[in-house]
Amino acid sequence: DIQMTQSPSSLSASVGDRVTITCRASESIRNYLNWYQQKAGEAPKLLMYGASSLQSGVPSRFSGSGSGTDFTLTISSVQPEDVATYYCQQSYRIKSFGQGTKLEI
Amino acid sequence: EVQLVESGGALIQPGGSLRLSCAASGFTFSSYEMDWVRQAPGKGLEWIGYISSNEKNIYYADSVKGRFTISRDNAKNSLFLQMNSLRVEDTAVYYCARLWETPPYYLDYWGQGTLVTVSS
Repeated sequence: DIQMTQSPSSLSASVGDRVTITCRASESIRNYLNWYQQKAGEAPKLLMYGASSLQSGVPSRFSGSGSGTDFTLTISSVQPEDVATYYCQQSYRIKSFGQGTKLEI
Repeated sequence: EVQLVESGGALIQPGGSLRLSCAASGFTFSSYEMDWVRQAPGKGLEWIGYISSNEKNIYYADSVKGRFTISRDNAKNSLFLQMNSLRVEDTAVYYCARLWETPPYYLDYWGQGTLVTVSS
């Protein structure tokens, strides 16, 4: 099974900060990497797919990069509404999620 | 508008069975593959299974293999999760999600979830 490891597990930022979350796969997953945002009490929401493609309707302050085993999700200027837990997910082989990164402001 | 609505969650004793449903609307359900994902209280997301659009391919996570069965009724726009031999560790919110059918296969729409509590 492919293991996904996110870091950090949690982080605290100020409004306007640039924030980066990393996700590492235990083997190459090419660009089969997706990011989801989950706000408290809500279902997850797709943010990015294919490592760097922004889902429709998602603000452009979100961006993603990476290929192979190492990936990043960046929020260029954190806003209060970005408080959430962020999950990476590989869809290369039998899907699996990272453990999540909780963002606080 | 795409909508996925799960139902069937309940409090159930260990060893019991439960069937969850996911009602789909706003898209051609029969054309899409679907996943089930769960989330234990205060924990992260766990993928538990996949079903192809025509039911020919079904895959499960090891944690539920042999106990859970995924099925669908395309005529009724419905997805199901039959859960048998339930354990305390199956306690979670269960989500159905639509799978985008071309690489990189992402989950683009999710239901609101239904809570299953396994406890004596």
